[in-house]
Amino acid sequence: NAGVTQTPKFRVLKTGQSMTLLCAQDMNHEYMYWYRQDPGMGLRLIHYSVGEGTTAKGEVPDGYNVSRLKKQNFLLGLESAAPSQTSVYFCASRRQGALSTLFFGSGTQLSVL
Amino acid sequence: AQSVTQLGSHVSVSEGALVLLRCNYSSSVPPYLFWYVQYPNQGLQLLLKYTSAATLVKGINGFEAEFKKSETSFHLTKPSAHMSDAAEYFCAVTRGGGSQGNLIFGKGTKLSVKP
Repeated sequence: NAGVTQTPKFRVLKTGQSMTLLCAQDMNHEYMYWYRQDPGMGLRLIHYSVGEGTTAKGEVPDGYNVSRLKKQNFLLGLESAAPSQTSVYFCASRRQGALSTLFFGSGTQLSVL
Repeated sequence: AQSVTQLGSHVSVSEGALVLLRCNYSSSVPPYLFWYVQYPNQGLQLLLKYTSAATLVKGINGFEAEFKKSETSFHLTKPSAHMSDAAEYFCAVTRGGGSQGNLIFGKGTKLSVKP
């Protein structure tokens, strides 16, 4: 089982460039999430989606946009990258219900120079 | 609002020693609590979760956690550490007591295991 797949695994951008991170899950999960992980900060929620065609802001949404055109995919976009967006980005998904397990991808290491 | 505090960003134990990772929560409603583990260069995996069915929760790899309402704690323990337990551990709580809770994570505790 592939589970949650993130592409790319590594990326280096220059300040001002744009890019899209792709997350794909094959578990038919309703909910999908994008987190960023920074040293000493834990995981912070950027945006999330509770179903196809719906998205919502998390704790740190500024500078990011998302789309969920298909149930299995959740895209995270950076329109104009900034050095403060250097981080490891994780996608996660789960089925409905507060007790359902969150399944994570293996992460994308993004550096913005 | 829900939140979790993990005491100690780094914990070091010897192989075979007791592992104790501390987590305190704040919640205005009965919480759902989780422990996740992150091995190097990987995503997070669920270790165990508190569902209110039992206060002592057993998870994978010999870990367990006890929910103590009076202390607002959900500490993670393992009787005997193994080298393979070296990882970062995250405590998490759901936002809200209903059916749609986004997880709020603590800042993590990195566990080192010495031979």
